[in-house]
Amino acid sequence: EAGVAQSPRYKIIEKRQSVAFWCNPISGHATLYWYQQILGQGPKLLIQFQNNGVVDDSQLPKDRFSAERLKGVDSTLKIQPAKLEDSAVYLCASSFSLLTDTQYFGPGTRLTVL
Amino acid sequence: AQKVTQAQTEISVVEKEDVTLDCVYETRDTTYYLFWYKQPPSGELVFLIRRNSFDEQNEISGRYSWNFQKSTSSFNFTITASQVVDSAVYFCALIEDSSYKLIFGSGTRLLVRP
Repeated sequence: EAGVAQSPRYKIIEKRQSVAFWCNPISGHATLYWYQQILGQGPKLLIQFQNNGVVDDSQLPKDRFSAERLKGVDSTLKIQPAKLEDSAVYLCASSFSLLTDTQYFGPGTRLTVL
Repeated sequence: AQKVTQAQTEISVVEKEDVTLDCVYETRDTTYYLFWYKQPPSGELVFLIRRNSFDEQNEISGRYSWNFQKSTSSFNFTITASQVVDSAVYFCALIEDSSYKLIFGSGTRLLVRP
């Protein structure tokens, strides 16, 4: 069974530029999550979707971050404009159905903002 | 509010030694779920184990074992006869039934030296 796919794996941009990350969850998984992991810290939830609806985006900086999950499968996370403090690894995870189901993570996208 | 504490920032052992990673959690819920994840240098978070709050049975899987004690709010992880491939950052995490958010500890970096 294929795992969670993410692209790109690495991205370097200048501050004030925009960037987008893509995630394809495990087949059949209804719930999808985006996390931000700053170096030396545990992952922090940004947004969670159940099918194509947002369940929680309370920790998403909405002035610059946006996310969508069209058709309830793939998802994209966008940052516009990027700031230096956005440098982090962005992890996508999916789970089968319930918000308490085990989450399985993708390889992440390492973003460097110069 | 839920919280996970991993007091050990970094542990270094010699191969074949046993090592225990500590995890202490805080929650007001009676129903909750605890997890351990491994993050090797490649960056992907790998799921290791899930326990629910009603199941205090300890678990053993090969060289890995977990000790869940509700009385001390702890969920410790022991690696027996450690190997170099066990070198990684290990995260303990918690989901409360009322909040549905996966909250991570700050992680413990384990270095196993040959």
